[in-house]
Amino acid sequence: GAGVSQSPSNKVTEKGKDVELRCDPISGHTALYWYRQSLGQGLEFLIYFQGNSAPDKSGLPSDRFSAERTGGSVSTLTIQRTQQEDSAVYLCASSTKDRPGYEQYFGPGTRLTVT
Amino acid sequence: AQTVTQSQPEMSVQEAETVTLSCTYDTSESDYYLFWYKQPPSRQMILVIRQEAYKQQNATENRFSVNFQKAAKSFSLKISDSQLGDAAMYFCAYLGETSGSRLTFGEGTQLTVNP
Repeated sequence: GAGVSQSPSNKVTEKGKDVELRCDPISGHTALYWYRQSLGQGLEFLIYFQGNSAPDKSGLPSDRFSAERTGGSVSTLTIQRTQQEDSAVYLCASSTKDRPGYEQYFGPGTRLTVT
Repeated sequence: AQTVTQSQPEMSVQEAETVTLSCTYDTSESDYYLFWYKQPPSRQMILVIRQEAYKQQNATENRFSVNFQKAAKSFSLKISDSQLGDAAMYFCAYLGETSGSRLTFGEGTQLTVNP
């Protein structure tokens, strides 16, 4: 079946602009995660959605970052007033309770470059 | 907070030989999962192998096996009969019972396979 998809694959934006990154999880997966992968910080957790529960936003680095998940499926990560330090690869993953340890399946990521 | 440490930023191996990637972690939890993920240049994170902490038997997936030492909090990955396609960045990751399903990643080890 189809895996996790993300769009766009690459995004170049000017400092101060807003960007939206999209994630389509695997159909039927109730959990969705966003991670950020950058040279200086490695792989870090951003936010986690599980079903209809309130999302775990504890990893968001600032209030310029927000995410929503509509209809329990597609998720959008929004970064407002982008800064150069936001340049990174943003990875989305999804999982189901049916897999041990809620095995997370990752998308190919969106590479964001802020100029 | 849990931490994961990979002390080898880079490793290399000759094709058909065996290589071991190291990972240590720190936790006070008794129940958790450990994972090795592979990230090729395509950026897609692929699960290589999973270990459940309550299982004493080391996990094995074809040419990939782990040496899980719970008391020492060590979780190394052994790749046997290395192939050119094994070249990638390898991440060790931790998922604990209080982690809220977020993965905590190590810094990664870049594996080169020489023909």
